[in-house]
Amino acid sequence: SQTIHQWPATLVQPVGSPLSLECTVEGTSNPNLYWYRQAAGRGLQLLFYSVGIGQISSEVPQNLSASRPQDRQFILSSKKLLLSDSGFYLCAWSVQGFGNTIYFGEGSWLTVV
Amino acid sequence: QKEVEQDPGPLSVPEGAIVSLNCTYSNSAFQYFMWYRQYSRKGPELLMYTYSSGNKEDGRFTAQVDKSSKYISLFIRDSQPSDSATYLCATANAGGTSYGKLTFGQGTILTVHP
Repeated sequence: SQTIHQWPATLVQPVGSPLSLECTVEGTSNPNLYWYRQAAGRGLQLLFYSVGIGQISSEVPQNLSASRPQDRQFILSSKKLLLSDSGFYLCAWSVQGFGNTIYFGEGSWLTVV
Repeated sequence: QKEVEQDPGPLSVPEGAIVSLNCTYSNSAFQYFMWYRQYSRKGPELLMYTYSSGNKEDGRFTAQVDKSSKYISLFIRDSQPSDSATYLCATANAGGTSYGKLTFGQGTILTVHP
């Protein structure tokens, strides 16, 4: 069966510091990969998606970037965090071409202070 | 106006009650409809997936889509305390499904008390 791992689970970072969240998927090949953000009182917002190694599409202009160095690895980064970057970040995957059934990881809680 | 509207609740019901959770949407191009369950501080878990109008049943859960009124529902029969969670509806059009662009409601907080 497929599993998705995401870390770290919780982090508190000062404004202006860098960020790296990592996600890996097991048990499947060539998945679509996604980064979503969930802010308090709001639904989930798609930030980035990837259909293959090195292929990243951004949905929302922001202070963040994503990379996919390996087939089942997805990384969310920032060079300098802003207070507004605080939130719950979720990595997710779907079968290639079936983006209507998305499976989420456990999430990473980011607080920027 | 948000593309998907969902009453955030909170909704509190006694154990064994029938729960009705609802969303409305504005984009007539949406064809795929999902319900996710999210426990506190956890990632959402896919519960139900339906395509176009109609009903889909899975155990105690029934998803219902009425495209004519742009209304989607999730019914939980014989609710249990373990059903206490936030329930998120999500929609997508045909193009959005190819790359996972789902539009989510903000979620309804449900508490089932013993």
